[in-house]
Amino acid sequence: EAGVAQSPRYKIIEKRQSVAFWCNPISGHATLYWYQQILGQGPKLLIQFQNNGVVDDSQLPKDRFSAERLKGVDSTLKIQPAKLEDSAVYLCASSLAHIAYEQYFGPGTRLTVT
Amino acid sequence: AQTVTQSQPEMSVQEAETVTLSCTYDTSESDYYLFWYKQPPSRQMILVIRQEAYKQQNATENRFSVNFQKAAKSFSLKISDSQLGDAAMYFCAYRSVAAGTALIFGKGTTLSVSS
Repeated sequence: EAGVAQSPRYKIIEKRQSVAFWCNPISGHATLYWYQQILGQGPKLLIQFQNNGVVDDSQLPKDRFSAERLKGVDSTLKIQPAKLEDSAVYLCASSLAHIAYEQYFGPGTRLTVT
Repeated sequence: AQTVTQSQPEMSVQEAETVTLSCTYDTSESDYYLFWYKQPPSRQMILVIRQEAYKQQNATENRFSVNFQKAAKSFSLKISDSQLGDAAMYFCAYRSVAAGTALIFGKGTTLSVSS
């Protein structure tokens, strides 16, 4: 079974530029999560989708971050414009259902904003 | 709001020895899940072990076991017969049943294993 795929793996941009990350969850997984992991901290949820609907985006900085999940499968996370404090690893995870199932994580995208 | 605290930023252990990683959490809920995740350097996070709060029996997965103390809100991970491949960052995580399924993570403990 293929795991959660993410691209790119690494990205370096200058502040005020825009960037987009892509995630392909495990086939059949209805729930998709984006987490932000700042160096030295645990991951923090940015947004959660159930199929193509948003379940929780309370911690997403909506003035600069946006995310979508078209057709309930792939998802993209965008930052525009980026700030220095956005430097982090962006993790995508998916699960079968939103109650009790394990979340499977992708390898992450390491973003450096200079 | 729920919080997860890992008070040990770094731990070390020798091969074949046993090590215990600590985790405490704060919640007013009675039903929830607790997890330990392993994140090797530059590799993806994987689930080590899961505990349902309504179960009194401590979870065990091969060399990994937990000591779940619900009243004390403590959830420690014991790794027995440590191996070099156990070296990683370990995260304790909480998930509410009632409020949804986002994981709330601690800051992590870096475990190093020496031969």
